[in-house]
Amino acid sequence: GENVEQHPSTLSVQEGDSAVIKCTYSDSASNYFPWYKQELGKRPQLIIDIRSNVGEKKDQRIAVTLNKTAKHFSLHITETQPEDSAVYFCAARNSGYSTLTFGKGTMLLVSP
Amino acid sequence: NAGVTQTPKFQVLKTGQSMTLQCAQDMNHEYMSWYRQDPGMGLRLIHYSVGAGITDQGEVPNGYNVSRSTTEDFPLRLLSAAPSQTSVYFCASSYQGGAEKLFFGSGTQLSVL
Repeated sequence: GENVEQHPSTLSVQEGDSAVIKCTYSDSASNYFPWYKQELGKRPQLIIDIRSNVGEKKDQRIAVTLNKTAKHFSLHITETQPEDSAVYFCAARNSGYSTLTFGKGTMLLVSP
Repeated sequence: NAGVTQTPKFQVLKTGQSMTLQCAQDMNHEYMSWYRQDPGMGLRLIHYSVGAGITDQGEVPNGYNVSRSTTEDFPLRLLSAAPSQTSVYFCASSYQGGAEKLFFGSGTQLSVL
């Protein structure tokens, strides 16, 4: 089955810096890659997603890039703010197109 | 719209007890799923359903049962609770097929003693 590796497990940045979280996947048939943000004690919420026919997608301060050849995708957050502090999960859709495999998460801490 | 509603929010069970975690959505979503979240393990899929009457196993289905008799409801049953099932459980639904743009419930924190 699909295997998704996520790095780093923790990331500390200063307010205003950029943050990058990277994920790799194993199934070359995967075609959908979402990112979820989970604040402490809250439910995961979708922040951005990308399909395999697109190399990059942006939404204000957030962007995701996809390299299908290398089977990796990354989340980029620019001009970080304290409210960006949360756990971020990447995921890849499995080849059966009905399930997601999640990475283990990255705890992002943005210090004022 | 209430979105995805999970009950209860907290539950403590003794080993061997059974219980049902409830999940309901009012968004007319065809796709529903159950995940468990353990520290350092991310979200792992237990069972999912692509529509009423259709269910399938995910990554960690052992010890759990599901059914989908209506579009709105997708209950998760623990048959004989074990300490290894101590976890936070999330129900998630999606209008689009293929687990896209999942909406998560607020979670159920389960402790099995």
